[in-house]
Amino acid sequence: DTAVSQTPKYLVTQMGNDKSIKCEQNLGHDTMYWYKQDSKKFLKIMFSYNNKELIINETVPNRFSPKSPDKAHLNLHINSLELGDSAVYFCASSQWQANTEAFFGQGTRLTVV
Amino acid sequence: GQSLEQPSEVTAVEGAIVQINCTYQTSGFYGLSWYQQHDGGAPTFLSYNALDGLEETGRFSSFLSRSDSYGYLLLQELQMKDSASYFCAVTIRGGGFKTIFGAGTRLFVKA
Repeated sequence: DTAVSQTPKYLVTQMGNDKSIKCEQNLGHDTMYWYKQDSKKFLKIMFSYNNKELIINETVPNRFSPKSPDKAHLNLHINSLELGDSAVYFCASSQWQANTEAFFGQGTRLTVV
Repeated sequence: GQSLEQPSEVTAVEGAIVQINCTYQTSGFYGLSWYQQHDGGAPTFLSYNALDGLEETGRFSSFLSRSDSYGYLLLQELQMKDSASYFCAVTIRGGGFKTIFGAGTRLFVKA
């Protein structure tokens, strides 16, 4: 069983489109995250949710809208995609906020053309 | 602001020991973690230090000195499969807990 699963694994789309990435964890964790990893492998936190509530929003453009229908799911919707959005997006979860052992999904490689 | 520094690349031979250093400047420091990431893969948690000292997990050990804002990851008996990127990550507390990753150290293990 995959602990943190995100879909799709690859996403190629045109500028201006809207796309979503889904994430689910079956670990019973309270906290979920979205990270963005750029071409230089720099891993930057975007959002953090704890029990469906937004805890951290790292000044991400409001074209990015996370949604957490329950604590096992954290989806990411991106409007009006731009070339600079091309990156690998990782979903992750941890048992609770202060627990630093995060489990990452396999990543979604987004390419905007 | 918050910053972490670690070397961009390290090369070592199979069987050797390598140390990857990490220095940080943060406020609200809570703990230091290390993650491994193979090319095309996801980051995988290796270890965590909240208090000063050495934590050992098999071939990997991690050290923290809070007074020096410094930590390191020690990899012993290097194997080819250890070739990967290693990230130090600082968790800070302030309006919630947040983990900030360093830029990563690319480790090349040679035969």
